[in-house]
Amino acid sequence: GAGVSQSPSNKVTEKGKDVELRCDPISGHTALYWYRQSLGQGLEFLIYFQGNSAPDKSGLPSDRFSAERTGGSVSTLTIQRTQQEDSAVYLCASSPGTGNQPQHFGDGTRLSIL
Amino acid sequence: RKEVEQDPGPFNVPEGATVAFNCTYSNSASQSFFWYRQDCRKEPKLLMSVYSSGNEDGRFTAQLNRASQYISLLIRDSKLSDSATYLCVVSDYKLSFGAGTTVTVRA
Repeated sequence: GAGVSQSPSNKVTEKGKDVELRCDPISGHTALYWYRQSLGQGLEFLIYFQGNSAPDKSGLPSDRFSAERTGGSVSTLTIQRTQQEDSAVYLCASSPGTGNQPQHFGDGTRLSIL
Repeated sequence: RKEVEQDPGPFNVPEGATVAFNCTYSNSASQSFFWYRQDCRKEPKLLMSVYSSGNEDGRFTAQLNRASQYISLLIRDSKLSDSATYLCVVSDYKLSFGAGTTVTVRA
């Protein structure tokens, strides 16, 4: 498909485990963003990649969270030693360039920490 | 203070009614403004961009007031399918989302 693809759709894991979430942006989009949305809450910015520039990690809530983007395309968001408060929907978005253009979202990964 | 504040609603309106709501933002350097729509347990989808001169897209009209730092959305002749949460979004280089305004259109 032509849209942003995220996997897995759902992830249930035990507290303390590490998880990896994957995002495949729209082909040709240079900007990639990760957000999370907790139940009943608004979207919270996590991290932003633009081309080969250093990522903006200002939204990452703790050092247990990290993300990388390989080859300027696919991105993985890693959460180490998961906690129950990490339970949320993690959304990835991409856009053709800078943040002044609308972003297109994937379906998200629903993460549940037991 | 949140970067983007919205009235959470809910706004319950009958089909065919007009409903309007707005949001305020705190960053005067914000460059771009959008309304996104989010259906229950779905990803946000772009509804429309908001331009300084105001703009319409069918039954939807968006306005931007930079001096007062607020953005509005008006829905005319509302349909059942308009029931959703509407997210006010402000951008410098990353998007800042309001918590959303819930609209329910009833038959």
